[in-house]
Amino acid sequence: GEDVEQSLFLSVREGDSSVINCTYTDSSSTYLYWYKQEPGAGLQLLTYIFSNMDMKQDQRLTVLLNKKDKHLSLRIADTQTGDSAIYFCAERLTGGGNKLTFGTGTQLKVEL
Amino acid sequence: DTEVTQTPKHLVMGMTNKKSLKCEQHMGHRAMYWYKQKAKKPPELMFVYSYEKLSINESVPSRFSPECPNSSLLNLHLHALQPEDSALYLCASSLEVPVRMNTEAFFGQGTRLTVV
Repeated sequence: GEDVEQSLFLSVREGDSSVINCTYTDSSSTYLYWYKQEPGAGLQLLTYIFSNMDMKQDQRLTVLLNKKDKHLSLRIADTQTGDSAIYFCAERLTGGGNKLTFGTGTQLKVEL
Repeated sequence: DTEVTQTPKHLVMGMTNKKSLKCEQHMGHRAMYWYKQKAKKPPELMFVYSYEKLSINESVPSRFSPECPNSSLLNLHLHALQPEDSALYLCASSLEVPVRMNTEAFFGQGTRLTVV
């Protein structure tokens, strides 16, 4: 199957770390992506990880991949109000060509 | 230039109208996509073009008709739409590479379509 699940909502205080989680069911994922979508806008690619990696760090963003549990997470350090948006994980499957399957999306709200 | 440009940004159309959405990229990408996104939902794939040929059609109703006139342009022709077709329509593009290589998809800002 290609179900990709995320928790719907996350609220954090400015300056704290945010952790957004994603679980997927298809073990043939090759690349996994995190996208950010601000209200009324398109999707902005934040980062990606290849399925044979466990971790990737890019400035304030840390991606962790647990392939055994089919669990992906995005940690945002020192979360700012500008990080408030909906975050989607997405997977590209082996044999799936260019098709991306998106998760259900997590709305991150950053409070002062 | 990592930009995917979509026009128009907003569109209101009646159920008997014919309109087109346009998408353009100059990154040399040979895979282009149309996604439909309803409010607070993930994008749903509609069509994929690979080297200007339709490679994926996710059983989309025929009132949506895609066209890829050249490697930089992608159109979505709309005819006899229903109110439930109101949504954000997103265009994306990526390199066309073997499956073991990364193909980041870059998205446009979308066209907000309202069918009345």
